[in-house]
Amino acid sequence: GAGVSQTPSNKVTEKGKYVELRCDPISGHTALYWYRQSLGQGPEFLIYFQGTGAADDSGLPNDRFFAVRPEGSVSTLKIQRTERGDSAVYLCASSSTDTGFTGELFFGEGSRLTVL
Amino acid sequence: GNSVTQMEGPVTLSEEAFLTINCTYTATGYPSLFWYVQYPGEGLQLLLKATKADDKGSNKGFEATYRKETTSFHLEKGSVQVSDSAVYFCALSDSYNQFYFGTGTSLTVIP
Repeated sequence: GAGVSQTPSNKVTEKGKYVELRCDPISGHTALYWYRQSLGQGPEFLIYFQGTGAADDSGLPNDRFFAVRPEGSVSTLKIQRTERGDSAVYLCASSSTDTGFTGELFFGEGSRLTVL
Repeated sequence: GNSVTQMEGPVTLSEEAFLTINCTYTATGYPSLFWYVQYPGEGLQLLLKATKADDKGSNKGFEATYRKETTSFHLEKGSVQVSDSAVYFCALSDSYNQFYFGTGTSLTVIP
């Protein structure tokens, strides 16, 4: 498809388990972002990639969270030793920076994570 | 630091009513301002933007003006439709890196 694709759309896991969330951005978009959205809140920044490198990971809440983008396209958000407080919708967005900063982020539909 | 405060919802309006959703911001620099919209079952998408003071962003009949003196970017539409029912997010950014989003305002338009 032409849009940002996120899988799984829903993930239910038990406290303490490891989880991976995948994002497939729009082809050719060099910038990729992960956000977390809790119920009743706006998206909260986690990490930003420019190409393969994490240009800004200041939003990751702690060292249980990690994200990679090894080939500059697909990205995986990894959460170790999940806690109930990690339950949220994890949003991925991509954008093209080739023509300068336009401010238009293209979002996927999100992965809803529930930690029991 | 940077932050956005927007009007809490939910907002329910009749079709053809006038809409205002308030948004104010705090920023250390000179950010760009945005309204994003999330329709049911879809991802967030850009509705409109303004990159400097006094700019007016507009799209699909919606408008918002970047007011530096009042640090505001209120969203308006003169006549809402049922299809405008969605959640609206005000946001700011002063770089590629981070966008700061408000908490969202849910709008329901009834026929």
